[in-house]
Amino acid sequence: DTAVSQTPKYLVTQMGNDKSIKCEQNLGHDTMYWYKQDSKKFLKIMFSYNNKELIINETVPNRFSPKSPDKAHLNLHINSLELGDSAVYFCASSQDPLQPSTDTQYFGPGTRLTVL
Amino acid sequence: GESVGLHLPTLSVQEGDNSIINCAYSNSASDYFIWYKQESGKGPQFIIDIRSNMDKRQGQRVTVLLNKTVKHLSLQIAATQPGDSAVYFCAESSGNTPLVFGKGTRLSVIA
Repeated sequence: DTAVSQTPKYLVTQMGNDKSIKCEQNLGHDTMYWYKQDSKKFLKIMFSYNNKELIINETVPNRFSPKSPDKAHLNLHINSLELGDSAVYFCASSQDPLQPSTDTQYFGPGTRLTVL
Repeated sequence: GESVGLHLPTLSVQEGDNSIINCAYSNSASDYFIWYKQESGKGPQFIIDIRSNMDKRQGQRVTVLLNKTVKHLSLQIAATQPGDSAVYFCAESSGNTPLVFGKGTRLSVIA
């Protein structure tokens, strides 16, 4: 059983295209996140959704739009892809980021995006 | 294949030795700390966490030490095994702020 799953695992596309990455968690968690990991392995949070409401947007270009149809899913849509968007994108979830014992984040396997 | 983090600190240890991975954090208000392990081609995996009201916590073969005075966190792995080879990240948070990840350390275990 995969707790946090992402599709696709690899995504290769041309500059200017629009693409989506899907994420699903079966942990019953209330909060989901998207992270970007660059080539130097630096992990940076992009978005957080708690019960379908956006609670963080860390200076991410508005070409990136998270969409959460329900609390088990948080998809990432990217418009007009640029070369600099190439990275590995990780989805994560936690039960409650405001409660000390339940805010551990569980990560998906990642989606490697390559923009040509 | 996966790209190499050219600027990633690397720690090489012999199989069976103990490993110590260090992390300095910057926010004195941080009260929750986590160590994650990321194997090649996979997402970060939770290893162990510690709250600021503790200075030591032990798990299975791992120990996390927290020194709030100098804002330093360390992860000790006993009897390091080849399967421990990975990139290790520390992460910190304060109250309702998001997790902030450190830059990562690559652990290479020499068989």
